[in-house]
Amino acid sequence: GAGVSQSPSNKVTEKGKDVELRCDPISGHTALYWYRQSLGQGLEFLIYFQGNSAPDKSGLPSDRFSAERTGGSVSTLTIQRTQQEDSAVYLCASSLALGGAEQFFGPGTRLTVL
Amino acid sequence: AQSVTQLDSQVPVFEEAPVELRCNYSSSVSVYLFWYVQYPNQGLQLLLKYLSGSTLVKGINGFEAEFNKSQTSFHLRKPSVHISDTAEYFCAVSDIPGGYQKVTFGTGTKLQVIP
Repeated sequence: GAGVSQSPSNKVTEKGKDVELRCDPISGHTALYWYRQSLGQGLEFLIYFQGNSAPDKSGLPSDRFSAERTGGSVSTLTIQRTQQEDSAVYLCASSLALGGAEQFFGPGTRLTVL
Repeated sequence: AQSVTQLDSQVPVFEEAPVELRCNYSSSVSVYLFWYVQYPNQGLQLLLKYLSGSTLVKGINGFEAEFNKSQTSFHLRKPSVHISDTAEYFCAVSDIPGGYQKVTFGTGTKLQVIP
């Protein structure tokens, strides 16, 4: 079956513009996660969804970042007024359930803010 | 709050030599532990995980890890590495949830296998 997909694969934008990153999880996976991967900083947790609800938004770096999930499926991460420090690879993962379930990762979206 | 420390950012090792990638964690509660691998230009995939039971966990590609509660460690080992093991390895921890699961990843260790 299909894995986690993300679009676009690459996004180049100008400072100050808004961007939307999309994640399509594996069908049936109730949990969905967003991470940011920057050089030398590993994976930074951004936000987690259980169904359409986000119990933990503590990882969002600022109020310019927001995310939503609809229909318990597709999720969108939006970054408003992008800054150069937002440049990174944004990874999405999904899992079947809670409690130690394996997370399946998408290929990521590489965001470059000029 | 949970945290993960991978002290070695890069580990060079000759082909067919053994390797150990170190991982230490901090948590006030019981945890689940994971190792993920990221091959060049690819996404992350699960290598192995510890949830409960035997403290020695075997994963894919001949890797294994041992959970040591007293030392709060979960080191990854392979007795003989291959060129194809060149990748970045991430240790991760999750508090055994009372409501949801948040996984905290380490900063990664780049394993470079030298022919």
